Amino acid sequence: TQLLEQSPQFLSIQEGENLTVYCNSSSVFSSLQWYRQEPGEGPVLLVTVVTGGEVKKLKRLTFQFGDARKDSSLHITAAQTGDTGLYLCAGYSFGNEKLTFGTGTRLTIIP
Amino acid sequence: DAGVTQSPTHLIKTRGQHVTLRCSPISGHKSVSWYQQVLGQGPQFIFQYYEKEERGRGNFPDRFSARQFPNYSSELNVNALLLGDSALYLCASSLFGQGLEEEQFFGPGTRLTVL
Repeated sequence: TQLLEQSPQFLSIQEGENLTVYCNSSSVFSSLQWYRQEPGEGPVLLVTVVTGGEVKKLKRLTFQFGDARKDSSLHITAAQTGDTGLYLCAGYSFGNEKLTFGTGTRLTIIP
Repeated sequence: DAGVTQSPTHLIKTRGQHVTLRCSPISGHKSVSWYQQVLGQGPQFIFQYYEKEERGRGNFPDRFSARQFPNYSSELNVNALLLGDSALYLCASSLFGQGLEEEQFFGPGTRLTVL
């Protein structure tokens, strides 16, 4: 069974601060995705990383895929209240079309 | 264009009952996947269908079944409901269900409560 553990589980910070969320596994993934989910809605894809060591930037969000393709991180610079939500990582493994989701990080940005 | 739609939005059932959840994919999308999201956890994969054929199945008991219709809409059926089946059930659609190369678009989910 492939597991994706996210840390921290909960994070509450002031607006304007920086933060990093981690996604770790003992399994290798061929690609990894990050989603944000808001209450009453389904997850929305933020980014897909496919190459070990890859770094992608989406405005104030920076995503990194580990060299060994077992872990990933999401860094948010100058957090805003609109960043509040549940952040989920999810991975595809070679030969398996099933998308495995992580345990989630619930982020709250305090104005 | 309409996104993925799911019905009903909320549902309350009692243990032992049966439930049917419905999903309409984005127009032109041929693949539908179902996920169960228990409160406080990430979604867990239940089924994927493409062109009316089951393409993948997660670790769920046989009480869970699904099907896809010629118009690519889908139903998820759960028999003999247990308290532990209480969750948000998410449907996601994609063009071909190719996994690694395609984005899945999620619906808002159906919140099922089993009493």
